[in-house]
Amino acid sequence: DAGVIQSPRHEVTEMGQEVTLRCKPISGHDYLFWYRQTMMRGLELLIYFNNNVPIDDSGMPEDRFSAKMPNASFSTLKIQPSEPRDSAVYFCASSPLREIYTDTQYFGPGTRLTVL
Amino acid sequence: AQSVTQLGSHVSVSEGALVLLRCNYSSSVPPYLFWYVQYPNQGLQLLLKYTTGATLVKGINGFEAEFKKSETSFHLTKPSAHMSDAAEYFCAVSDQDTGFQKLVFGTGTRLLVSP
Repeated sequence: DAGVIQSPRHEVTEMGQEVTLRCKPISGHDYLFWYRQTMMRGLELLIYFNNNVPIDDSGMPEDRFSAKMPNASFSTLKIQPSEPRDSAVYFCASSPLREIYTDTQYFGPGTRLTVL
Repeated sequence: AQSVTQLGSHVSVSEGALVLLRCNYSSSVPPYLFWYVQYPNQGLQLLLKYTTGATLVKGINGFEAEFKKSETSFHLTKPSAHMSDAAEYFCAVSDQDTGFQKLVFGTGTRLLVSP
């Protein structure tokens, strides 16, 4: 398996622009997670999905952030409009349902976002 | 609410020396505990996890961790450090109150290994 795939790997944009980050989870995984990593706040869970349905979005910082999962093999995280404080590494992770409470989350390589 | 405290943002050891990375957690119900490793420019990778049963958990690359309920700790150890162990290590907790799939991560400890 190719693992969790994220695109782009790097994104540089200007303040006010719309940014879309993409994720392809591992085939057959039922859970998908979006995380943000910054020096100041560490690794934070933004939102997670189960079978394409958002379960918990309490970590989404503002209405400028939105996430969708239109099907089992694709998810997007959108920031509109972007701000410099959104600069971070955004990770996508997926997890199977074999062991419902304890299964491993598999992380993608991340997208490094820089908002100028 | 859950929380994880990792003591020491940086730990330096010599190659061949014992590695000890500290993790303390806060959870009002029995926790599930995890250690993840992040190599430069990569995503996180699971090292080991504790759910139930044996409190000493063995993971990949020779690492192990022991769940000590009385101390609310889950410290990560390795008897002999290798240069390839240099990375950032994250402790994480989840439990049934907030949802087992919802991991709360510590701030990470960067392990430096010198020759």
